[in-house]
Amino acid sequence: KAGVTQTPRYLIKTRGQQVTLSCSPISGHRSVSWYQQTPGQGLQFLFEYFSETQRNKGNFPGRFSGRQFSNSRSEMNVSTLELGDSALYLCASSYDRGEQYFGPGTRLTVT
Amino acid sequence: AQKITQTQPGMFVQEKEAVTLDCTYDTSDQSYGLFWYKQPSSGEMIFLIYQGSYDEQNATEGRYSLNFQKARKSANLVISASQLGDSAMYFCAMREGRSAGNMLTFGGGTRLMVKP
Repeated sequence: KAGVTQTPRYLIKTRGQQVTLSCSPISGHRSVSWYQQTPGQGLQFLFEYFSETQRNKGNFPGRFSGRQFSNSRSEMNVSTLELGDSALYLCASSYDRGEQYFGPGTRLTVT
Repeated sequence: AQKITQTQPGMFVQEKEAVTLDCTYDTSDQSYGLFWYKQPSSGEMIFLIYQGSYDEQNATEGRYSLNFQKARKSANLVISASQLGDSAMYFCAMREGRSAGNMLTFGGGTRLMVKP
């Protein structure tokens, strides 16, 4: 069974631009969660989607948004990028509330 | 207050020895789950082991075991017979209650270095 895939793996953007990251969960998994990892703040929960509905949201500004498609693939979007958005963005998939399996991450650099 | 505390920022262990990574947690929920993940330098988070709050037995997965002490709110990871490939960051995480969905709260991590 294929694992969680994330694209792109690396991204460089300029302040003020927007970015879209993609996550394909393990086949059959209906839940996709997104996390931001930075050296200063550690791993922080962004949001979770389950069957195309946002089930949970972390404490991030409205510039961070996401969605999930009917095939459970998920995208997250960050608008008006700031330098502090430079981070490793990880997505994790799960069937429902079971163990979460993470993808390799997308490393975003904002210059 | 921190929900997940990992007090050991870095640790060394000799190859083939056992090592314990500490994790304490704080929650008022009766139902919760505790997870350990390994993150090598490549960045991917690898699931290691899970313990539910109602599980009476300590969880074990191969060389990994979780020393769950509910009254002390601790969930320490024990790695037996350390290998060089165990060198990585280790994160303890908690999922609280039904309403939290799959939201995980992570500790700050422990960097484990295995010496040959």
